Amino acid sequence: GAVVSQHPSRVICKSGTSVKIECRSLDFQATTMFWYRQFPKQSLMLMATSNEGSKATYEQGVEKDKFLINHASLTLSTLTVTSAHPEDSSFYICSARGTSNQETQYFGPGTRLLVL
Amino acid sequence: DAKTTQPPSMDCAEGRAANLPCNHSTISGNEYVYWYRQIHSQGPQYIIHGLKNNETNEMASLIITEDRKSSTLILPHATLRDTAVYYCIVRVGRYQLIWGAGTKLIIKP
Repeated sequence: GAVVSQHPSRVICKSGTSVKIECRSLDFQATTMFWYRQFPKQSLMLMATSNEGSKATYEQGVEKDKFLINHASLTLSTLTVTSAHPEDSSFYICSARGTSNQETQYFGPGTRLLVL
Repeated sequence: DAKTTQPPSMDCAEGRAANLPCNHSTISGNEYVYWYRQIHSQGPQYIIHGLKNNETNEMASLIITEDRKSSTLILPHATLRDTAVYYCIVRVGRYQLIWGAGTKLIIKP
């Protein structure tokens, strides 16, 4: 199956700093990428959907100015958590939908963010 | 939006077939059923999906009832590495996946 990577896999930062998470599709071109957040013992919650070259669409309740998404190419999307606070600590997961197999989303391994 | 209902947890003996049920009684005619699994602290892994017909791949089989209101994921020979949370998802709109609570499957030696 298609491979999606995320970097970093784990990050610890101080409150007030910004953190950038990268999501890459390694062996396919992704027209659409999705960003999810997962709190402990809970299911995945969709944060936003991004299409290459256009602005991301955010889910209700997700602050677009706090969670900046850039999808500059068909293989890379980034999520920047600006001015992170302890309540932003979570497991952030991206997924990508390719151009050839448009029905299936493939997920990255996730990034665990801990804000102190 | 179509929703899914799954049992919160199940046990299965190693080497036996694991049958995971899912109800999606409000599914509409053009909505696919997807199955993913998530092993602890990892990203979800795609397993299989289907629309109307039963599907099989190297990981599992998907049995969808004729009225499409329920489905069953079958892992034919469960191993300890199959212990995970299994999510049955009905695709909403063109791309979005709505995630429920899933079934925590524990494979016991």
